[in-house]
Amino acid sequence: SQTIHQWPATLVQPVGSPLSLECTVEGTSNPNLYWYRQAAGRGLQLLFYSVGIGQISSEVPQNLSASRPQDRQFILSSKKLLLSDSGFYLCAWRGGTGSHGNTIYFGEGSWLTVV
Amino acid sequence: EDKVVQSPLSLVVHEGDTVTLNCSYEVTNFRSLLWYKQEKKAPTFLFMLTSSGIEKKSGRLSSILDKKELSSILNITATQTGDSAIYLCAALYNTNAGKSTFGDGTTLTVKP
Repeated sequence: SQTIHQWPATLVQPVGSPLSLECTVEGTSNPNLYWYRQAAGRGLQLLFYSVGIGQISSEVPQNLSASRPQDRQFILSSKKLLLSDSGFYLCAWRGGTGSHGNTIYFGEGSWLTVV
Repeated sequence: EDKVVQSPLSLVVHEGDTVTLNCSYEVTNFRSLLWYKQEKKAPTFLFMLTSSGIEKKSGRLSSILDKKELSSILNITATQTGDSAIYLCAALYNTNAGKSTFGDGTTLTVKP
């Protein structure tokens, strides 16, 4: 069965410090991968998506970047964090065919607090 | 602009009540409608709907899609305190990228 993991679960970072959140998917190949951010009391905002290795699309201009160095690995980064980067970050995947192709599944999430 | 709107934004009920949560969508190239439950952590998947009028059911939860009205409802019968959560609705696009648009969620509080 397919599983998705992301880490770290929580982190507190000072303003201006770098960020790296990592996500891996198991049990599937060539999945579509996504990074979302959720502000308090709000729905999910799509930040980046990837349809394959090295292919990254950004949905909103921001202080963050994403990379996909391997088929099942997706990384969210920042060189210098801003206070406004605080939030709950979620990695997700969608399979390309079958019933999984119609559904998005989430990792455990990462709580980021920038201080 | 594509959007997904959920109503009500919040709801407070007592155990045993039945609730209906609403989701309307306006998206180009619609593929599926997704429902999730979120309890202070990552959303967990509840239902995926692609066909109009076919009810999906899991225990006390059920959901149905109306593609003519561009809407979906999530019903919870005999609510329990453990049903307290944010319920999210999302529309998945029928594109290779498989992007999605989420509503802001309905916060359900079930009191004992």
